[in-house]
Amino acid sequence: EAGVAQSPRYKIIEKRQSVAFWCNPISGHATLYWYQQILGQGPKLLIQFQNNGVVDDSQLPKDRFSAERLKGVDSTLKIQPAKLEDSAVYLCASSLDREAHWGTFGSGTRLTVV
Amino acid sequence: AQSVAQPEDQVNVAEGNPLTVKCTYSVSGNPYLFWYVQYPNRGLQFLLKYITGDNLVKGSYGFEAEFNKSQTSFHLKKPSALVSDSALYFCAVRDMGGTGGFKTIFGAGTRLFVKA
Repeated sequence: EAGVAQSPRYKIIEKRQSVAFWCNPISGHATLYWYQQILGQGPKLLIQFQNNGVVDDSQLPKDRFSAERLKGVDSTLKIQPAKLEDSAVYLCASSLDREAHWGTFGSGTRLTVV
Repeated sequence: AQSVAQPEDQVNVAEGNPLTVKCTYSVSGNPYLFWYVQYPNRGLQFLLKYITGDNLVKGSYGFEAEFNKSQTSFHLKKPSALVSDSALYFCAVRDMGGTGGFKTIFGAGTRLFVKA
């Protein structure tokens, strides 16, 4: 089966600019996750969707980060305005449903804010 | 709150020797534990999980992990390391998320170097 697709692979922006990342999960996977992985740290969950509804966004910095999954398939994660500390790899993952015990991860988008 | 700790930033082992990557956890109920591997410029790949049953769990690429409830540990092991095993390894525990959804809490990672 095709994996989780993410784009772009790399992005460099200046602070205070905006940026958007895209994720296409595995077909049929109802649950979608966005993680932030800062260099030297483990991934941290930002937001979890079940179909097109948000299940958990408790660690999402809502003053600058937003995410949507309008049709319950693809998802976009946006940062506006970006800060230097947002430099990280943003990983998308999906699973069959929220009862699943693990997810399949995409290759991630590496964001550098300068 | 659930948490997971990986006490070693880096593990060095010679090819052909056994390897162990350590992980300890803290959970309020029954633990659901995972190991993932991350190669450079790649996403995380699932290696194995412990949900219930046998304490020794076998996973992908010849890896296995031993669940020890009394020591709250879930160490990753392999009998004979390969140079290609060199990567970043993450231990993870399942936690209850916002409105009942599950989320995975990751450790900080352990970098494994296997020397030829």
